[in-house]
Amino acid sequence: EVKLEESGGGLVQPGGSMKLSCVASGFTFSNYWMNWVRQSPEKGLEWVAEIRLKSNNYATHYAESVKGRFTISRDDSKSSVYLQMNNLRAEDTGIYYCTRKLGPYYFDYWGQGTTLTVSS
Amino acid sequence: EIVLTQSPTTMAASPGEKITITCSASSSISSNYLHWYQQKPGFSPKLLIYRTSNLASGVPARFSGSGSGTSYSLTIGTMEAEDVATYYCQQGSSIPTFGAGTKLELK
Repeated sequence: EVKLEESGGGLVQPGGSMKLSCVASGFTFSNYWMNWVRQSPEKGLEWVAEIRLKSNNYATHYAESVKGRFTISRDDSKSSVYLQMNNLRAEDTGIYYCTRKLGPYYFDYWGQGTTLTVSS
Repeated sequence: EIVLTQSPTTMAASPGEKITITCSASSSISSNYLHWYQQKPGFSPKLLIYRTSNLASGVPARFSGSGSGTSYSLTIGTMEAEDVATYYCQQGSSIPTFGAGTKLELK
């Protein structure tokens, strides 16, 4: 059974940092592109970041709204993907989902989500 | 960025009723890149239909998808109480984007 389990959310002040983690199980992690997608009442579902495979030199891609502030990384030996978030803003508040992506296509598995609140 | 516009925003249906939700793209996309998700209250989104018309594993046959170019649709052949959820379309042609969602309620 495919499982994605996020952790690391919480309350942080504007300008602060937070690191999210996601541990995967039930599939060969190193074979899949991994993504973070967030959800908020204001913006709905919003793709955040993607990291590809070792064979793609772990290429990364980011939404314009987070470029330069967020960094996605992965550790295939730990079946884990991470999202380092710096210089956080109120508009980054939301539920962050770790997702598995089938190539350039769709997100076929989602974690249960972890909530980030950016507020003073 | 390709914008996806869903309609209606909300709707209510009676059990047994046929439901159609539409998703309009701001630019033409290949049908390989249009997908649908179902999100039930309190849960994360779940893949429902991929590449326009392919049912994800475990999805009941009353769900179907169709479309091409800029116009796509999700149909529920006969509404059931367990179909109460918000439905989202998503395109993967370029930077992934999602529609704003269609909330389906029981009448």
